Amino acid sequence: AQSVTQLDSQVPVFEEAPVELRCNYSSSVSVYLFWYVQYPNQGLQLLLKYLSGSTLVKGINGFEAEFNKSQTSFHLRKPSVHISDTAEYFCAVSDPQGAGSYQLTFGKGTKLSVIP
Amino acid sequence: DAGVTQSPTHLIKTRGQQVTLRCSPKSGHDTVSWYQQALGQGPQFIFQYYEEEERQRGNFPDRFSGHQFPNYSSELNVNALLLGDSALYLCASSASGTGTTEAFFGQGTRLTVV
Repeated sequence: AQSVTQLDSQVPVFEEAPVELRCNYSSSVSVYLFWYVQYPNQGLQLLLKYLSGSTLVKGINGFEAEFNKSQTSFHLRKPSVHISDTAEYFCAVSDPQGAGSYQLTFGKGTKLSVIP
Repeated sequence: DAGVTQSPTHLIKTRGQQVTLRCSPKSGHDTVSWYQQALGQGPQFIFQYYEEEERQRGNFPDRFSGHQFPNYSSELNVNALLLGDSALYLCASSASGTGTTEAFFGQGTRLTVV
C-alpha cells in the first residue's frame, strides 16, 4: 500500500521569505503525486500535480514542486510567501496501475503559518 | 458551475444513531469518492462510487455504506455512530477515465458525535 510522509507538521515563515514543504512517498513502479491546500473550514483545493514528464511542476498561486524518483520525494516550494498562503498543505499519492488506482493516499499535512 | 456541493455543512449526532450525508458532483462528473478527515489528520479514502456501484473501498467497517443515484449524486451512511466517527467528511467528484488526476473536492460536512 502507498504511504506519504510529510516531514514537518508545522512551518512558520516570515512574509516574503521562501518556503519548502517536504513530502516523501513509499516507492512504487509508477506514481501520481499531488499537493492540495486546505484553508480553515474549507475543502481541498488542488495546487499542482505530477503525472509524467518534466520533474518540475508549476501550480497555482506561485507554487512549484519537484519530483525526485531516486529520493522518492515531491517537495513543494514557493520563492516568496504571502499572508494569504497561511493554510494546511497536504501531499497525496495514487498508483495509476495498482489496486488503489482510484484512491488518493494523503499525508498528515503541514500547517504553514506566514508571519507578518 | 456550482462545483461539488455537500449537505449539510454541520451535523451533531448522538452515539449509536445513524447519519446520512449528501454530495452532488461537479457538472460533467460521474464518479464520487468519499473521504474521512479526522482532526489533525489527512483525509482517508472510504469508498468510490461509479455507475451506481461501489467500485473500490478503503479500510472502513461495514457501518459505512453508500449509494449513488442515476443523476450521479451520492449519499454516505454511517450506522451505530461512535465518538471516533467525529470528523470532516469530504466528497470528491471526477469524470470516468480520469481516475485521481482530476478530482474536485467539496467543502465537507463536519460531523460531531456526542
